[in-house]
Formats: sequence, structure tokens, C-alpha cells
Amino acid sequence: GQNIDQPTEMTATEGAIVQINCTYQTSGFNGLFWYQQHAGEAPTFLSYNVLDGLEEKGRFSSFLSRSKGYSYLLLKELQMKDSASYLCAVRDTPGGFKTIFGAGTRLFVKA
Amino acid sequence: DSGVTQTPKHLITATGQRVTLRCSPRSGDLSVYWYQQSLDQGLQFLIQYYNGEERAKGNILERFSAQQFPDLHSELNLSSLELGDSALYFCASSPTSGRGTDTQYFGPGTRLTVL
Repeated sequence: GQNIDQPTEMTATEGAIVQINCTYQTSGFNGLFWYQQHAGEAPTFLSYNVLDGLEEKGRFSSFLSRSKGYSYLLLKELQMKDSASYLCAVRDTPGGFKTIFGAGTRLFVKA
Repeated sequence: DSGVTQTPKHLITATGQRVTLRCSPRSGDLSVYWYQQSLDQGLQFLIQYYNGEERAKGNILERFSAQQFPDLHSELNLSSLELGDSALYFCASSPTSGRGTDTQYFGPGTRLTVL
């Protein structure tokens, strides 16, 4: 079956680094996305990985290992505004027809 | 602002009723996706349209239907509403059918409350 697993909640301190893990089992793979979603708001795109390795974008980095079905999102220099849910999503077919979202990891940043 | 618009922002209705949610994609985007997000739940993919044609179907109930019009806006119709249909409904759009780095951009959502 299709499955995306992420921790439900994480807590970290302002200024610290946090790593949010995602493991997936899908029938196909054509890219992995990370989105940020503040409560009651729309998800916003953070990163996209389709090849193995690390993609860096400012304070955010995302890593992918296709052989392990594993990704992580790394957030550095945490700010209070980073408190949000982080959604891992996999596009499961070459035609890009379907993107499956994980339930999300709720991150709490404390002072 | 993603450029995707959704109306209405909030909708309160009664069980058994029918509602229509509307979405306008970003300028130039050909694909529209509909998602349902219940309280504390992940995004559940409902359906995708590409350039007016249905492209992919997820866990969409038979009571729900959608279409994409020639001007590329889309409507999601929900009928015989039940309490469990209360949720945030998001529309997203992307430039193509979902190939390569094609990224989905989400609208602000419609919050549906069924009483």
C-alpha cells in the first residue's frame, strides 16, 4: 500500500537546528516535496527532491535517499515563526497524477 | 499570496444540502487539484483536472463531483452533505499535468461547516 510516515510532533528551541524525518512506501516515485502549513492556512512549498542528496535553500535543507525511501527536512537557526506543520508529500507516478501527503509534523519552537 | 483564489472562504450549511466550491488557478496553470483536510488530518487528495479533463482520482466520494471549465477555473460540488464532510477544502494548481519539478500552489481554502 501507499504510506508516508512522519513524527506527529516535535519541539525545539529558538536558534537551534531541527531535523524532521519522513519515510515513504509508494507504488512509484517521481519526486518528494516538503510543504509548510500554519494552522488554518494553505500549505506553502518549501522544497523538491527527485535525486538522492541534499538540496539547500537558505535556512532550509532537504535530503533524499530513494533506496531507503527516506527524506528529512532540516531547519536551521529556528525562529518562532517556524512553528507550523511540515508536510512530506510524494508524487507517485511518472505522469505526476497523484501526490500523496503525510499527516504532517507539528513543530513547536519555544523561546 | 500563491495566486490561486478560492470562494467562498467560509460556508455553513445543513446536513443533506448541496454546495459548490469554486477555484481559480494561477495564471497559466493548466492543472487543478482538490484536497480535503479534516481537523488534525493530513491532506486527502480528491481529484485532479488537467486542461479541462479529469486526470486522476483519489478518495473522492460518489456524492462529490468536480469539473474544470474552458477558462480553467474549477468547481467542486458536494451533495447530500453529512456532518463528517466538515473540513477545509483546498484547491491547488500547477503549470502542467505534474511532471518534473511541477509544484502545486495552494489556494487559501474554503472552510465548510455542516450542522
